[in-house]
Amino acid sequence: EIVLTQSPGTLSLSPGERATLSCRASQSVSSSYLVWYQQKPGQAPRLLIYGASSRATGIPDRFSGSGSGTDFTLTISRLEPEDFAVYYCQQYGSSPPYTFGQGTKLEIK
Amino acid sequence: EVQLVESGGGLVQPGGSLRLSCAASGFTFSTYGMNWVRQAPGKGLEWVSYISSSSSSIYYGDSVKGRFTISRDNAKNSLYLQMNSLRDEDTAVYYCARDRGVTRLDPWGQGTLVTVSS
Repeated sequence: EIVLTQSPGTLSLSPGERATLSCRASQSVSSSYLVWYQQKPGQAPRLLIYGASSRATGIPDRFSGSGSGTDFTLTISRLEPEDFAVYYCQQYGSSPPYTFGQGTKLEIK
Repeated sequence: EVQLVESGGGLVQPGGSLRLSCAASGFTFSTYGMNWVRQAPGKGLEWVSYISSSSSSIYYGDSVKGRFTISRDNAKNSLYLQMNSLRDEDTAVYYCARDRGVTRLDPWGQGTLVTVSS
């Protein structure tokens, strides 16, 4: 089973700053199968990025994903107040089909 | 608009059973695989189960295998999760989520809370 480790656990930044979130896999992951979600308090997760770098429908272009192999990154170029949330990476594998990272909380500094 | 609405959560004693439902609308339900994902209070996301569009392929996470059963009724645009032999550690918000090409989950329902406690 592939384990995804996200860092940092908590990231404290101010609106307007750049955020860089990391997701590291215990084994190589196909870029096609690396996904990022955003979850706000009391809400369901929302798809942000799929295929490591493709933005989902309606996602602003300040969100971008990159990476390959075992190291993937979610970047928010200029933080808006609504971007403060928890972010999860996820990969598709054979067994189990889906595994998630433990999440990175992006909080207002 | 694509929509998923879960129901059936509640308080149940350890060892008890509960059946969750997920009503789908706004898309051709019968052509998509579906998933259940759960989130314990204050914790991260844990994938629970997957069912293919025709119910021919079904998978479970190790923590629920042998206790939970996923099913669907394409005529009713509905997904189900039968949960038996419930444990304290099954306490969580349970989300249903549409499978997109067996790579990502989109969208997710709003979730239903299951609390296992005596």
